[in-house]
Amino acid sequence: QLVLTQSPSASASLGASVKLTCTLTSGHSSSVIAWHQQQPERGPRFLMTVNSDGSHSKGDGIPDRFSGSRSGAERYLTISSLQSDDEADYYCQTWGSGIQVFGGGTKLTVL
Amino acid sequence: EVQLVESGGDLVRPGGSLRLSCAASGFTFSSYAMHWVRQAPGKGLEWVSYISSSGSTTHYADSVKGRFTMSRDNAKNSLYVQMNSLRAEDTAVYYCAREHCSGGSCSGHFDYWGQGTLVTVSS
Repeated sequence: QLVLTQSPSASASLGASVKLTCTLTSGHSSSVIAWHQQQPERGPRFLMTVNSDGSHSKGDGIPDRFSGSRSGAERYLTISSLQSDDEADYYCQTWGSGIQVFGGGTKLTVL
Repeated sequence: EVQLVESGGDLVRPGGSLRLSCAASGFTFSSYAMHWVRQAPGKGLEWVSYISSSGSTTHYADSVKGRFTMSRDNAKNSLYVQMNSLRAEDTAVYYCAREHCSGGSCSGHFDYWGQGTLVTVSS
């Protein structure tokens, strides 16, 4: 069964960096995932895919402060030089066999 | 500029029906697979349904299978979902989302989202 696990919350200070984690279930450790950002009261916004080799492909207009990486079954979203409007929910997404799966989301607080 | 604009959300009684629409612009709609995703109040994202670029193939989440029907009109650049036998647990903001496609092949992830339309199921 395809499941994505995310920590419910994370926090970091303005100007610092934060690394969010999305973990794939056993047997799916080579899957591609996508990261999406959802600011309060807004629709989600695609950030990037993180591929099985750890490379990432970003969406239109996504700043260089956002990057992706992987280690085994874990996929990471790193945000550097945190800004106040980075405070948002972050979701990972993957797919297979005609279905789409989202992680539970991580609420990022910028202190 | 890619735009997806949902409409049709409303307050409906349990057991009732509703049809949502999504108007697409800024891209060749007929070349892209599309999805509906929903978000219950204070909850995370839940995938609802998929339709291929031609409309010939659909997939549904188990939670809506048999009650929701997704369709599209490529001539009108529009996406739809017909929701029947609505339940309280269908209360959510419904988003349409575009699947990333290039050169006739779609990759699976969503690259554009709409702003959503609210469906409330309550007596």
